Amino acid sequence: SAVISQKPSRDICQRGTSLTIQCQVDSQVTMMFWYRQQPGQSLTLIATANQGSEATYESGFVIDKFPISRPNLTFSTLTVSNMSPEDSSIYLCSVEPQRAGSITEAFFGQGTRLTVV
Amino acid sequence: GENVEQHPSTLSVQEGDSAVIKCTYSDSASNYFPWYKQELGKGPQLIIDIRSNVGEKKDQRIAVTLNKTAKHFSLHITETQPEDSAVYFCAASREGYSTLTFGKGTMLLVSP
Repeated sequence: SAVISQKPSRDICQRGTSLTIQCQVDSQVTMMFWYRQQPGQSLTLIATANQGSEATYESGFVIDKFPISRPNLTFSTLTVSNMSPEDSSIYLCSVEPQRAGSITEAFFGQGTRLTVV
Repeated sequence: GENVEQHPSTLSVQEGDSAVIKCTYSDSASNYFPWYKQELGKGPQLIIDIRSNVGEKKDQRIAVTLNKTAKHFSLHITETQPEDSAVYFCAASREGYSTLTFGKGTMLLVSP
């Protein structure tokens, strides 16, 4: 298993500002993911954070809006830039420790509840 | 890409009853199907998963069934308890390609 600490747990931000969310894992993991969960909705993958290279973004998400860092195998940050009320969501960090040749379960942080006013 | 449909969106049951949540998927190459439970203010937590080499898996009051031909899988909770109340998500992915596609979630309410 993996224990994930995500900070902050919640924040209220002014529109036009930026917020950086941190994700710390208690073990080295290859794959780290950032998801967005809009109110009452499912989880949508924003990007895959790759250690040592640029993040891979899903359709509809761009690096300028959601810059990601992955400086090592236990840590990643997601920044929500130039925020608007539409960015109000829960942002979740996820890791997936992989066994050789197969996928194990994904583990999630507790999420960051962001409200933009 | 993969598309996962989940039904119902809400489900209310009496304590002690059974609850069934159903999902369908579109990508025939998907072969890993986890279920997550999300309580208020928390991140999703894996409760059970199934791979395509089995048709059914059970863990105490929770079971999952998989029909690969029809491309659907279901979560069964027996003897429901109020603490089972949460949002449940199904998901699908391919072995070797680790991105999960999630269903829209089912809010389960168990009344005492």
